Amino acid sequence: QSALTQPPSASGSPGQSVTISCTGTSSDVGGYNYVSWYQQHPGKGPRLMIYEVSKRPSGVPDRFSGSKSGNTASLTVSGLRTEDEADYYCASYAGSSSVFGTGTKVTVL
Amino acid sequence: EVQLVESGGGLVKPGGSLRLSCAASGFTFTNAWMHWVRQAPGKGLEWVGRIKRKTDGGTTDFAAPVKGRFTISGDDSINTFYLQMNSLKTEDTAVYYCATDDYGGAWGQGTLVTVSS
Repeated sequence: QSALTQPPSASGSPGQSVTISCTGTSSDVGGYNYVSWYQQHPGKGPRLMIYEVSKRPSGVPDRFSGSKSGNTASLTVSGLRTEDEADYYCASYAGSSSVFGTGTKVTVL
Repeated sequence: EVQLVESGGGLVKPGGSLRLSCAASGFTFTNAWMHWVRQAPGKGLEWVGRIKRKTDGGTTDFAAPVKGRFTISGDDSINTFYLQMNSLKTEDTAVYYCATDDYGGAWGQGTLVTVSS
């Protein structure tokens, strides 16, 4: 199972929006509505931000939203804040396995 | 509060074995899909394996690089599940996390496994 493809980096100024893509295949992202997104700050463990494509766990700001079209899922962070600067990973159910994305470093300019 | 705490990491020689533990609190792990995920130094997240919730069969699945070498089991009585790692290779060196998307999502703090002679 190959890693899902994410852009290595994305950036935006405070208050702006940034969207991260996560491209897979019909065997993972496109085949199931089980895409999750995780935020990881340096030296810390990951945190679940979005699950089942677009659902937000309790405590996650509504500035974070998820969507999917075909084999590509997306995470949008609206109203960027300095604390949003982190690495972001997508992950997808893939039948007999799961697979993570390559990761995107988000910089708040 | 949903919480996961890993333990059992350390230094092991190539070909050796190690068992990692993940103690769950705030929920019963057999009611959730539980995963092991690793992160090599300076690298991204890599899915290692999972155990499905009991009502989904409680079966396990593994990523290709560890299939046949790693197993997952659990002890309901102490709400803890394990990652047994055998025939370890230098490329297995990583921080290992246990995690779930259920119950609002939770990740452990990670435990470092170093495979080196």
